[in-house]
Amino acid sequence: ETGVTQTPRHLVMGMTNKKSLKCEQHLGHNAMYWYKQSAKKPLELMFVYSLEERVENNSVPSRFSPECPNSSHLFLHLHTLQPEDSALYLCASSQAVGGQYEQYFGPGTRLTVT
Amino acid sequence: LAKTTQPISMDSYEGQEVNITCSHNNIATNDYITWYQQFPSQGPRFIIQGYKTKVTNEVASLFIPADRKSSTLSLPRVSLSDTAVYYCLVSYEDYKLSFGAGTTVTVRA
Repeated sequence: ETGVTQTPRHLVMGMTNKKSLKCEQHLGHNAMYWYKQSAKKPLELMFVYSLEERVENNSVPSRFSPECPNSSHLFLHLHTLQPEDSALYLCASSQAVGGQYEQYFGPGTRLTVT
Repeated sequence: LAKTTQPISMDSYEGQEVNITCSHNNIATNDYITWYQQFPSQGPRFIIQGYKTKVTNEVASLFIPADRKSSTLSLPRVSLSDTAVYYCLVSYEDYKLSFGAGTTVTVRA
């Protein structure tokens, strides 16, 4: 596979469930990102990792827990979510951290919390 | 955090030029301006990036005035396949990224 892949593509979960989103990049990049995209809202940057170290956490609720075991993989662990957390969750990677580096996005995971 | 503002939507016809302006009044010295395109059910895709003056690539041009408080993405001779949402991104301090709300461009035959 090439580029940035995300699994699953669709996820429906109850508020008491625990699930994880997975992202994998095959580009040899050193930075990875999680974004949330809600209807009619701008893309919201959630977490940034540089060389497997978290460098940014934009006041995201603790029910979202990221994990970056290596530079190719990024996870977002979900627990006790709320209906307002329903959104498209996008993963991206770039050569290094910084807006001057082109970000490559995955197709996203469409999350519905019931 | 630099806030970006762009029009919600724009309509055009095939073969016309489309210009989308993004406002970023409090852009910092080190900010870059980047534009992304997004189709339904896909992640955004990089179109073009600039710091000042004019940048051109095979798909678009980006015009940035001297004060850098705005930027204009120009799509020449659009086709139906250019119907998408276009996002302006202003970036600074490495980890601080601010996307605009997006401009939905609809191209009609």
